[in-house]
Amino acid sequence: EIVLTQSPATLSLSPGERATLSCRASQSVGSFLAWYQQKPGQAPRLLIYDASHRATGIPARFSGSGSGTDFTLTISSLEPEDFASYYCQQRSNWLYSFGQGTKLDIK
Amino acid sequence: QVQLQESGPGLVKPSETLSLTCTVSGGFVSNYYWSWIRQPAGKGLEWIGRIYTTGSPNYNPSLKSRVTMSLDTSKNEVSLRLRSMTVADTAVYYCARVFGYGSGVNWFDPWGQGTLVTVSS
Repeated sequence: EIVLTQSPATLSLSPGERATLSCRASQSVGSFLAWYQQKPGQAPRLLIYDASHRATGIPARFSGSGSGTDFTLTISSLEPEDFASYYCQQRSNWLYSFGQGTKLDIK
Repeated sequence: QVQLQESGPGLVKPSETLSLTCTVSGGFVSNYYWSWIRQPAGKGLEWIGRIYTTGSPNYNPSLKSRVTMSLDTSKNEVSLRLRSMTVADTAVYYCARVFGYGSGVNWFDPWGQGTLVTVSS
């Protein structure tokens, strides 16, 4: 089973700042890595798929990078609506798993 | 666009079986993969399993002994049954389409709004 470890657990930043979120896999997942945003009381929303592709309707300030075991989600300039929890997710064969999440809150 | 709506009992007693339904609108369940994912309050996401129009479902090994997923193409629904419920199964349960391009079905999109299931006597 592949374990995804996200860091930091909590990230406190101000609007306009750059956010860098990390996701590390216990073994290579190639580029089969997705990122989701979740706000309180809502379902997760797909942001990035296959490590670096923005999903439909996702603003250009969100970008994903990485391959193998190390991945990064970058938000170039934080907007007020970006403060939420973020999860990475991988697929290995027919098994899927999620990281434990990073909570991005307002400083 | 495709929309998903979960339904089922909000309260289940310990040792009972949970039955949830995900109704798909704006598209067909056929020829897509579908998953159930759950999230205990204040915690992370746990993948439960996936099912396709044909073939056998795939389940999370940690839940495999208690889970059954099925698909009803005539009703455009995906179902989940989870046996021997305990307090630890209390969570919001989401259904989601599993999607991908040539490299396989790698991500979940869209998601239903989720349904809270509480296990309590």
